[in-house]
Amino acid sequence: AQSVTQLDSQVPVFEEAPVELRCNYSSSVSVYLFWYVQYPNQGLQLLLKYLSGSTLVKGINGFEAEFNKSQTSFHLRKPSVHISDTAEYFCACSGAGTASKLTFGTGTRLQVTL
Amino acid sequence: DAGVTQSPTHLIKTRGQQVTLRCSPKSGHDTVSWYQQALGQGPQFIFQYYEEEERQRGNFPDRFSGHQFPNYSSELNVNALLLGDSALYLCASSTPQGGETQYFGPGTRLLVL
Repeated sequence: AQSVTQLDSQVPVFEEAPVELRCNYSSSVSVYLFWYVQYPNQGLQLLLKYLSGSTLVKGINGFEAEFNKSQTSFHLRKPSVHISDTAEYFCACSGAGTASKLTFGTGTRLQVTL
Repeated sequence: DAGVTQSPTHLIKTRGQQVTLRCSPKSGHDTVSWYQQALGQGPQFIFQYYEEEERQRGNFPDRFSGHQFPNYSSELNVNALLLGDSALYLCASSTPQGGETQYFGPGTRLLVL
């Protein structure tokens, strides 16, 4: 079984500032890791994923994340945020393999202000 | 290329009633998963369908059931609705070739009164 912990329920940040959203996972088997974004009253949009290979993965909208196996972390970063990045961000993992179920964290609300 | 679609977008039911939610997967996808997202929470896995059979199931009671049709679309049925079933129900589709990545629809928001 897997579990995902998102340590920060809310992260306030000023526009053009950098941001890091933290995610830690727990699993007894190899995992795939994902970050999804949810805008108000919408479904989930995939930002980026780590399956294997390079531990630094780049996604859409200028986001990137780094897989750290020793620390069981997969933190999301963006060097300069925009107002439009205000949304709920979910970290998720699945067992490595085809079509495994996703286990989600409780989400981090990123609030970008001027 | 149409993405994952779900219907209806919103639904209001009363306790004890039954509800059916529908999902059409992304073109070329044959696997459908359903998730329940309660207010302020992350999505919770309900079950997954592949080749018209339930392949995996999360920790949900038997009141939650599903079906997958030959065209890969899927239904989620919930019987004997409880107030606690109020949530956003999300459908996600994937394909064996890229099966590790699930693409989500906009969801159906269910309110049980």
